[in-house]
Amino acid sequence: GDQVEQSPSALSLHEGTGSALRCNFTTTMRAVQWFRKNSRGSLINLFYLASGTKENGRLKSAFDSKERYSTLHIRDAQLEDSGTYFCAAERGSALGRLHFGAGTQLIVIP
Amino acid sequence: AQTIHQWPVAEIKAVGSPLSLGCTIKGKSSPNLYWYWQATGGTLQQLFYSITVGQVESVVQLNLSASRPKDDQFILSTEKLLLSHSGFYLCAWSPGDEQYFGPGTRLTVL
Repeated sequence: GDQVEQSPSALSLHEGTGSALRCNFTTTMRAVQWFRKNSRGSLINLFYLASGTKENGRLKSAFDSKERYSTLHIRDAQLEDSGTYFCAAERGSALGRLHFGAGTQLIVIP
Repeated sequence: AQTIHQWPVAEIKAVGSPLSLGCTIKGKSSPNLYWYWQATGGTLQQLFYSITVGQVESVVQLNLSASRPKDDQFILSTEKLLLSHSGFYLCAWSPGDEQYFGPGTRLTVL
């Protein structure tokens, strides 16, 4: 069954505002990755976390294995942030097997 | 720096015809390699993984096979394509934790 539930499926933000994407896991995960889809459909790496939080520019991600969730916060959204974002998580019992969320389509409005 | 290439970029094939998709990683010895597939409107799912030359593990059964003939090469193939094989195929590599994705191959089966 689906092990990664990503929400929201779609999000509209006005430029300069922020919000959070969230992935809930139905089981304990060892690590999580966040990606953004590029124009061709491939994936750009944003974050890899085995625990705690990481920040990169206007993006910040957190992962709580015990509480079974991860978040991706976007602040001061810019038009170029528009796109589809995915989380993917790895169970400790199946190293290397990433379970993907369904994605969040973000639209930043001027 | 490591680079990952996939070929072809796109393919249109007839049902029942054979298929071979390729993936090459340069700049990293003995990487873990993965094949992923996403049906149109579907979630990305892992198909195969390989941690060493000549060894491939199947994750999802889709009437496809994979091989790793060289340390830096991963091949996905089938002798008879089905309509359901259409979609976007991504190859990924990992040094052991974070995964990095190739540009992808878009396959249309008619």
